[in-house]
Amino acid sequence: DQQVKQNSPSLSVQEGRISILNCDYTNSMFDYFLWYKKYPAEGPTFLISISSIKDKNEDGRFTVFLNKSAKHLSLHIVPSQPGDSAVYFCAAIHISSGSARQLTFGSGTQLTVLP
Amino acid sequence: NAGVTQTPKFQVLKTGQSMTLQCAQDMNHEYMSWYRQDPGMGLRLIHYSVGAGITDQGEVPNGYNVSRSTTEDFPLRLLSAAPSQTSVYFCASSYYGTGELFFGEGSRLTVL
Repeated sequence: DQQVKQNSPSLSVQEGRISILNCDYTNSMFDYFLWYKKYPAEGPTFLISISSIKDKNEDGRFTVFLNKSAKHLSLHIVPSQPGDSAVYFCAAIHISSGSARQLTFGSGTQLTVLP
Repeated sequence: NAGVTQTPKFQVLKTGQSMTLQCAQDMNHEYMSWYRQDPGMGLRLIHYSVGAGITDQGEVPNGYNVSRSTTEDFPLRLLSAAPSQTSVYFCASSYYGTGELFFGEGSRLTVL
């Protein structure tokens, strides 16, 4: 049973437009959420995160929105650039549990930004 | 600053062979972990460690063994390779208490 789901395996957008990547989770104990970006032949790199006490976190062109009641988060990239083309992984963690920090990852969304 | 270093980057094994994937980090992170990435499955946790001498199982530990004798190193051992272990393996580390992992570049393993 996947606790973190990314239902869109791929997404294509035009350069300069908005990219919206979605993620759903089922475990209500998750209280911290992260997005990672992965280029081919490289390891994932941390992009942005959000705590469950917030509903929005912004960092430059990247904004993450959290809707706890719907157990849904989204990553907005505005404006999208060709260099943003990568696989994006959503991840979640129960950070206040006091146990080891085990991230649960979604299956990823391949974003392609067309010039 | 090297970060997280994994070796080898590529390896081909025959069924039944054993091997060790090496992982080293130079950031003095307490937490280290191994993930495998398979198509459509995302990243799944194999084993993790919260400090030297302390290891525990993740989601998919069968067929793998780990040890943590130093803060820097966290090798992953495949005891008797099977085709189902064909995957890309990532080592990651972080300060304990954060979810912000630093990943290595990955090791692509093929088991024939």
